[in-house]
Amino acid sequence: EVQLVESGGTLVQPGGSLTLSCAASGFTFSAFPIHWVRQASGKGLEWVGRIRGKPNNYATDYAASVKGRFTVSRDDSKNTAHLQMSSLKTEDTAVYYCTRHNLEYDTSGYYRFFDYWGQGTLVTVSS
Amino acid sequence: SSELTQDPAVSVALGQTVRITCQGDSLRSYDANWYQQKPGQAPVLVIYGKDKWPSGIPDRFSGSTSGNTASLTITGAQAEDEADYYCNSREDLFGGGTKVTVL
Repeated sequence: EVQLVESGGTLVQPGGSLTLSCAASGFTFSAFPIHWVRQASGKGLEWVGRIRGKPNNYATDYAASVKGRFTVSRDDSKNTAHLQMSSLKTEDTAVYYCTRHNLEYDTSGYYRFFDYWGQGTLVTVSS
Repeated sequence: SSELTQDPAVSVALGQTVRITCQGDSLRSYDANWYQQKPGQAPVLVIYGKDKWPSGIPDRFSGSTSGNTASLTITGAQAEDEADYYCNSREDLFGGGTKVTVL
């Protein structure tokens, strides 16, 4: 069974730092890009960033709102991804989800989608 | 535009059909995916690749795309379908979500 389990969410002061973890099981972790998506209370889903696998040189990309402050990393030997957050702002308060990005092919083409999500971890940035 | 636009809310009578739309230029290049999210839960993939079902998703959910507009249709809506629904095209792009209320 595929599982993604986030941890590390807590209350942190503005300007502080925090690292979230995403522990994966039930699939070949190294074969899949891992993304982070957040959701502020009562709001929609916001893409945060992602890290690809070794064949793509662990390439990362970030939303403009977090670029330069957040870093996504992964340790394939431990089936874990991390989201390092620094210079946190009150507007970073949200539930943070990690999600697996999958790719399928058929005769009509290829399809990319988020097929498994963790349960989320709450980050509250407040003084 | 790099945005995906969804109606904020729709309602449907139990057993009837409802269509949720998602509009954006990226849908001309990328297939739409749809996610269902119930309160306090993580999103769940219900349609991918425009019109494909993940394992375990009932076939009352269906998807289609025309031009820059993708649609998710629930045929014979059930009480358990009451949720927020989000579309997604490029990996970094989500719609604002549509709250579906089943009356």
